[in-house]
Amino acid sequence: DAGVIQSPRHEVTEMGQEVTLRCKPISGHNSLFWYRQTMMRGLELLIYFNNNVPIDDSGMPEDRFSAKMPNASFSTLKIQPSEPRDSAVYFCASTSTATFDEKLFFGSGTQLSVL
Amino acid sequence: GEDVEQSLFLSVREGDSSVINCTYTDSSSTYLYWYKQEPGAGLQLLTYIFSNMDMKQDQRLTVLLNKKDKHLSLRIADTQTGDSAIYFCAERRDNQGGKLIFGQGTELSVKP
Repeated sequence: DAGVIQSPRHEVTEMGQEVTLRCKPISGHNSLFWYRQTMMRGLELLIYFNNNVPIDDSGMPEDRFSAKMPNASFSTLKIQPSEPRDSAVYFCASTSTATFDEKLFFGSGTQLSVL
Repeated sequence: GEDVEQSLFLSVREGDSSVINCTYTDSSSTYLYWYKQEPGAGLQLLTYIFSNMDMKQDQRLTVLLNKKDKHLSLRIADTQTGDSAIYFCAERRDNQGGKLIFGQGTELSVKP
């Protein structure tokens, strides 16, 4: 399996622009998570989906952030408008709730820089 | 508190043992995990332990769990320079839909 695939690997944008991050989970996994990593706040859970349905979005910072999962093989995290404080590494992770230990598999992340 | 806590830095000599400690918050967590992050990469699962176990050994890795104190540790025997990375512990919060909450990570530096 190719693992969790995220794109782009790096994104540099200007303040106010819309940013869309993409994720393809591992085939057969039914749970998908979006995390954000910064030096100051560490690894924060933003939102997660079970069977394409958002379960907990309490970590989404504010209305500028939105996430969708239109089908089992694709998810997006959108920031509109972006701000410099959104600069971070954004990770997508997936797992299968059918396995007893529900190990989480991470993508390589998207390094976002908002100037 | 609400946070999973780890010390931020650990430095050891090559060949020594490393012990990374973590305290978690949810006594009902069924699984606790250790992840490793190398520079510029995502998190990679190292090992995990089920909450009804006290210890789990996997080659050079030993996980110890003290449920009473909500304390988790990861011991790396014969630490190598390739073990230099950031190590995260995580608890699965079953009373919050099973989401994983991570500590802030411990940066392990292995000196030759």
